[in-house]
Amino acid sequence: EAQVTQNPRYLITVTGKKLTVTCSQNMNHEYMSWYRQDPGLGLRQIYYSMNVEVTDKGDVPEGYKVSRKEKRNFPLILESPSPNQTSLYFCASSLTSGNQETQYFGPGTRLLVL
Amino acid sequence: GQQVMQIPQYQHVQEGEDFTTYCNSSTTLSNIQWYKQRPGGHPVFLIQLVKSGEVKKQKRLTFQFGEAKKNSSLHITATQTTDVGTYFCAGNPGGFKTIFGAGTRLFVKA
Repeated sequence: EAQVTQNPRYLITVTGKKLTVTCSQNMNHEYMSWYRQDPGLGLRQIYYSMNVEVTDKGDVPEGYKVSRKEKRNFPLILESPSPNQTSLYFCASSLTSGNQETQYFGPGTRLLVL
Repeated sequence: GQQVMQIPQYQHVQEGEDFTTYCNSSTTLSNIQWYKQRPGGHPVFLIQLVKSGEVKKQKRLTFQFGEAKKNSSLHITATQTTDVGTYFCAGNPGGFKTIFGAGTRLFVKA
């Protein structure tokens, strides 16, 4: 089944404790992206990747890191989480980085930073 | 910076009534996509509009892209309880970024 998976689905952590949220897709998609969703703000793009080893900042990259060592995986790293990073995070992928591609979203990761 | 404004933020309708949500961009868009997110779920792609003035229909849903490619709308005719959720527009202003509107949450009363 074609899908985007994220782990963990739910996470409670404390300020400053490094964490990684994994994202994997099995559709051989080139383009992957991370979003955060906050009430009243919709989805805001954190980072995106056009292909292996090619990443760029979205609109809200501060406090986050990403890597794209393999085509299927695009982990999101919070080196020193803070309470303002409490949010719902979605990973998405599309076939190419062209501007006419549908994005497929993962199920989401709900993060609470205390 | 580049923004996509979406209104209204919420809409309560009686089942059978129509519903419309609007998106306006501060810049010209290469294309616009619409997504639906059910409560507790993830965004699911509905449709993409690319051409100036384009209109597309999916059963009771009608999507429009403005002539200037800066605005778009989604209209649902005769809403049903299954239409409940949040509807997002997502625009591509060029390059590889995607900018989402804040969404319109639709409540349908049976």
